[in-house]
Amino acid sequence: QVQLVESGGDLVKPGGSLRLSCAASGFTFSDYYMSWIRQAPGKGLEWISYISRSSTYTNYADSVKGRFTISRDDAKNSLFLQMNSLRVEDTAVYYCARELAVAGTGAFDMWGQGTMVTVSS
Amino acid sequence: QSVLTQPPSASGTPGQRVTISCSGSSSNIGSNYVFWYQQLPGTAPKLLIYNNYQRPSGVPDRFSGSKSGTSASLAISGLRSENEADYYCAAWDDSLNGVLFGGGTKLTVL
Repeated sequence: QVQLVESGGDLVKPGGSLRLSCAASGFTFSDYYMSWIRQAPGKGLEWISYISRSSTYTNYADSVKGRFTISRDDAKNSLFLQMNSLRVEDTAVYYCARELAVAGTGAFDMWGQGTMVTVSS
Repeated sequence: QSVLTQPPSASGTPGQRVTISCSGSSSNIGSNYVFWYQQLPGTAPKLLIYNNYQRPSGVPDRFSGSKSGTSASLAISGLRSENEADYYCAAWDDSLNGVLFGGGTKLTVL
């Protein structure tokens, strides 16, 4: 079954850390760029990070740069997001998404179901 | 300023044609591809249009995309009740060096 499944979301205090995981199945994970995209409650979508094939390139939105780290383990078909120094404004549903290989950057053709991260004291 | 601007809401009656606009700048829409997403309530977004006007397999041809200069549009013809959703445009931004999403448009089918 072709799918992405996120996990690791939780309630955490401001300043805390969390690691999100995304398990891929049904396709050759190593062939694709992957991204994390989040959506605060009742708000729109915000792209936060991507990682290229073979982890050659990574990039981050300014809102998370220096605090979040994206990584991947192609042997385990998994994508990760290490989130440090969490802030209340990081509260959101976090989606992992696969980038359509034949399109420009920003064409996410597969999404997970999302995992909720709540940052609150 | 690196922002993609969409109208917050749009509406139409069944069978009608509706368009949703997305306005950007030279650093995003003006120099890069535009993508459109549909998000039904409580679900993850779905890619509707990529590279300005291309449709992924399975997306009906009632959905079409276009781009002119620093603006883009999504058109939905033969509107149906199941098209009621939030719609987002997106594009790479050369200044931000990242993907920008528009604020989203909530489509209501009257």
